[in-house]
Amino acid sequence: SSELTQDPAVSVALGQTVRITCQGDSLRSYYASWYQQKPGQAPVLVIYGKNNRPSGIPDRFSGSSSGNTASLTITGAQAEDEADYYCNSRDSSGNHHVVFGGGTKLTVL
Amino acid sequence: QVQLVQSGAEVKKPGASVKVSCKASGYTFTSYDINWVRQATGQGLEWMGWMNPNSGNTGYAQKFQGRVTMTRNTSISTAYMELSSLRSEDTAVYYCARGGATVTTFDYWGQGTLVTVSS
Repeated sequence: SSELTQDPAVSVALGQTVRITCQGDSLRSYYASWYQQKPGQAPVLVIYGKNNRPSGIPDRFSGSSSGNTASLTITGAQAEDEADYYCNSRDSSGNHHVVFGGGTKLTVL
Repeated sequence: QVQLVQSGAEVKKPGASVKVSCKASGYTFTSYDINWVRQATGQGLEWMGWMNPNSGNTGYAQKFQGRVTMTRNTSISTAYMELSSLRSEDTAVYYCARGGATVTTFDYWGQGTLVTVSS
């Protein structure tokens, strides 16, 4: 199996840039996807693959990866970006299995 | 537009089983995997497994092996997740999610189904 580690909480001043990270061995082989979840709502995909945004996701969201760490960057954070963010990736065993990180609570100050 | 609509909330006793449905619309049901993810109150997301609606092939997380069964009815574009031998720790919101461009890309999600396990 595999584990993905995220910081439990991160804060950012309104309009500033914030990076949310996700660490795990499987990230050396596979890209992470990133999800935003607001209270009482289902998660929403914000980044997938190398750095792809689904339709409707603002371009202030971007993704990157280096070694065993994937990052989600929000450039010019807005109040509506306050949410929980989760990464996921394939299990490092190479099968079809998926693992999620523990999530990061983003606070916009 | 793509939609995944799940069945309503359930209350079950310990030891019982629950079957949650996920009805797809707005796309060809057999062309995309369906994944199931759960979330206990105040906790993170937990992947349970996937199903290919075309072939019926499935893959389950080790934690749920032997207790979870994922099936589908292609004639009504509906996926099902059945979890047996329920215990209190299974109390959670259960989501279905469509698999997208990659194995880990869940591009559309159902609204969630709350399953409460209580005696």
